[in-house]
Amino acid sequence: GENVEQHPSTLSVQEGDSAVIKCTYSDSASNYFPWYKQELGKRPQLIIDIRSNVGEKKDQRIAVTLNKTAKHFSLHITETQPEDSAVYFCAAKGTGGFKTIFGAGTRLFVKA
Amino acid sequence: DAGVIQSPRHEVTEMGQEVTLRCKPISGHNSLFWYRQTMMRGLELLIYFNNNVPIDDSGMPEDRFSAKMPNASFSTLKIQPSEPRDSAVYFCASTTGNSGRGTYNEQFFGPGTRLTVL
Repeated sequence: GENVEQHPSTLSVQEGDSAVIKCTYSDSASNYFPWYKQELGKRPQLIIDIRSNVGEKKDQRIAVTLNKTAKHFSLHITETQPEDSAVYFCAAKGTGGFKTIFGAGTRLFVKA
Repeated sequence: DAGVIQSPRHEVTEMGQEVTLRCKPISGHNSLFWYRQTMMRGLELLIYFNNNVPIDDSGMPEDRFSAKMPNASFSTLKIQPSEPRDSAVYFCASTTGNSGRGTYNEQFFGPGTRLTVL
């Protein structure tokens, strides 16, 4: 069945450094890849997304890249700040329908 | 808009009891999702509706779980009978889109219901 694998499960960086989270997906028909951030005790919220017809997208300190051939996509956070500390989920959606498969999550710690 | 509304926010019950979780999607959204989140299994999609019709319930763990959406502004997730392993945070989310073409739209999550089954 459809599967999304996410690595690493935990990531610790120093404030100001970059953080990279990587995901792979199994369904080659997937065409939409959102990233959600979940702070402790709160709900997941979308931070950035990318469609399959785009290779890269950037929004201030956050960027996502997509390699359709390899079926993997990544989240890049530059100049990390303590408030970036949270769990980040990648996800993939197939063509048509609404079913979105989430990765297991990456717990990011940004040390001041 | 108040966003997605879920109730109750916390529920503590004893094994064997019936539990009903409630969700009100954002007005105008025509798709609704129920997720379960645990440390062990992460964020799992249980079921989703489009225009009040269940589209995919393959994530529902077993017959003890059932979900309904009687109208565009209300959905319930029921567990009967509940078991300790059902303890988790249950999220409801909603979005817009067309069932034929799907959606690239953001899913808006509710605050979640933290369920504890003793």
